[in-house]
Amino acid sequence: RKEVEQDPGPFNVPEGATVAFNCTYSNSASQSFFWYRQDCRKEPKLLMSVYSSGNEDGRFTAQLNRASQYISLLIRDSKLSDSATYLCVVNMGNTGGFKTIFGAGTRLFVKA
Amino acid sequence: DTAVSQTPKYLVTQMGNDKSIKCEQNLGHDTMYWYKQDSKKFLKIMFSYNNKELIINETVPNRFSPKSPDKAHLNLHINSLELGDSAVYFCASSQDPPSVRPWETQYFGPGTRLLVL
Repeated sequence: RKEVEQDPGPFNVPEGATVAFNCTYSNSASQSFFWYRQDCRKEPKLLMSVYSSGNEDGRFTAQLNRASQYISLLIRDSKLSDSATYLCVVNMGNTGGFKTIFGAGTRLFVKA
Repeated sequence: DTAVSQTPKYLVTQMGNDKSIKCEQNLGHDTMYWYKQDSKKFLKIMFSYNNKELIINETVPNRFSPKSPDKAHLNLHINSLELGDSAVYFCASSQDPPSVRPWETQYFGPGTRLLVL
């Protein structure tokens, strides 16, 4: 089982739609959780951290369920500019140390 | 001003050659990383340095040797390049490593696209 798993998509949605991405992680001792965004041929950039209480930033809402080892990202009122790959990121510790694990990403295409 | 910069942006070379990629950050961070993103878009950590000391060394062939001359620089030297080394290599930095501050943001450079022929 991969340490961080995401549905690769692609998700094709019209402008204005609501879309949700899910992510599961394998290590129950994971410490912190993030969603990064990566545009085509660009570097990843932090979109938002994901806290246990859930958090919202404008049209974006992130949720964490530690019991189910599951993270989600909800995007409301999708814009064309939301088209990108969304990376689920987990910081987890193991015998080798503490490291950052990236999911393979979920691709989103928002069309007019 | 570019926060994390990498050179070169593109690198095309023959199998068996030795090449280096340079990374510099002007954010005053103590921790720097090298990641590899392969053709399937998986981003995997290779190395992490904190205050010029190696703290993470993933299962990477020893043909890859990182060097941190100071906290602002982390270079990656690759010996005897192989076809499978073709990928995008990203440098990143954060103030502290995840073991110290798990909620730190990592800032990525623009990537170096390496193609081995």
